[in-house]
Parts: sequence; structure tokens; C-alpha cells
Amino acid sequence: EAGVAQSPRYKIIEKRQSVAFWCNPISGHATLYWYQQILGQGPKLLIQFQNNGVVDDSQLPKDRFSAERLKGVDSTLKIQPAKLEDSAVYLCASSLGDRGHGELFFGEGSRLTVL
Amino acid sequence: KQEVTQIPAALSVPEGENLVLNCSFTDSAIYNLQWFRQDPGKGLTSLLLIQSSQREQTSGRLNASLDKSSGRSTLYIAASQPGDSATYLCAGVSYGGATNKLIFGTGTLLAVQP
Repeated sequence: EAGVAQSPRYKIIEKRQSVAFWCNPISGHATLYWYQQILGQGPKLLIQFQNNGVVDDSQLPKDRFSAERLKGVDSTLKIQPAKLEDSAVYLCASSLGDRGHGELFFGEGSRLTVL
Repeated sequence: KQEVTQIPAALSVPEGENLVLNCSFTDSAIYNLQWFRQDPGKGLTSLLLIQSSQREQTSGRLNASLDKSSGRSTLYIAASQPGDSATYLCAGVSYGGATNKLIFGTGTLLAVQP
């Protein structure tokens, strides 16, 4: 069974530039999550989708971050404009269950460096 | 606000030792708990999931338990091997709200010396 796919794996940009990350969850998984992991810290939830609807985006910096999950399958996370403190690994995860009741499966992550 | 603490932050042991990693939650109302492993530069790999009706789970040399009354979980690794070297993260889902957010600890960095 294919796992969670993410791209690109690595991205280096200058501050104030924009970047987009893509995620394709495990087939059939209704719930999709984007997490931000800063070096030395645990992952922090940015946004959670249930099918194509947002169920939690309380920690998403909405002035610069946006995410969508069209057709309830794959998802994109965009940062515009990027700041130095956005340097982190952006992890996508999916689960079969809803509302956080199921086991989460993570992708390899997209490492962002903002210069 | 739920916070998760993992102790110790780092641990170095010789190969073959049994070891215990600890995880505690400020809010003991945990719905389910999941332990992950993270290798350098990689994503998280799920190790064990303890669901609401369970108190422990076992997989090979790994055993995880959850004490809901105290909001504490332990991950026991038997007969450690150099390949077990990684960062171990616990994450719990708290009751309440529509989304039941999964909150992560900061991890324990484990090094198993050959």
C-alpha cells in the first residue's frame, strides 16, 4: 500500500518569496493534516481537513499561510510571503478515522529553509 | 491547554539494555495515544496506538502503556539495538471539541551504542 506522498522534499527560498507544498494522502483516508516541525520541537498542527472541509485551522497563520484540499484527496499548503521563522519541516499526515480518533500516518516531510 | 512532556530529552545506552521512555500530559483526559519514531531527516513512523478502550499495546520488542488516571504513558524497549537509535515522540488526543487535536511531545533522542 502506498504511503503519504509529499513534494518537494527540500526547498530553499529568500524571505518574502512564496512556496507551495503538495501532499497526497493514503487512498481512502478521509482526514488530512498539515503539521509544522521546527528543529528540536514536536510537530505542531497547522490545519486539519475532513474530506474537503476544514475542521481545525486555529493555529494556521492565516495572514501568510493557506491550504486547500480540493475534491477531498490531495492538498496544497502555501506560504506567501515567507519569513525566516517559517524555516521548518512541513509534515503531511492522514488517517482513516475522523476527528483524530484514528492512527496517523506521516509522509517524509518537506524541509523549508528561508534565507 | 494540553501540554506534553517527554522525559528524558536524550538517552544513551549500550546495546542490549532494556529502557523506558516517559510521556506525561497536563490534562489527563486522553482519548487515545500514539508513539512515533523519527529518524534524522525523515517523517514520523507510527509504532503503537493505544485507543480509548485499551491500556497497553505491544509490537515485537516494544510495549506502550497508558495510565489515564495520571495522564502518563511509557514506552518500553526490550533488548535495545543500534537500529533503535532515533527520536521517539508521543502524541495524545484529548477529549472535548469537534476536532480532538493530536498534541505532540518534544521527543526523546535515543542513541544505542554497539
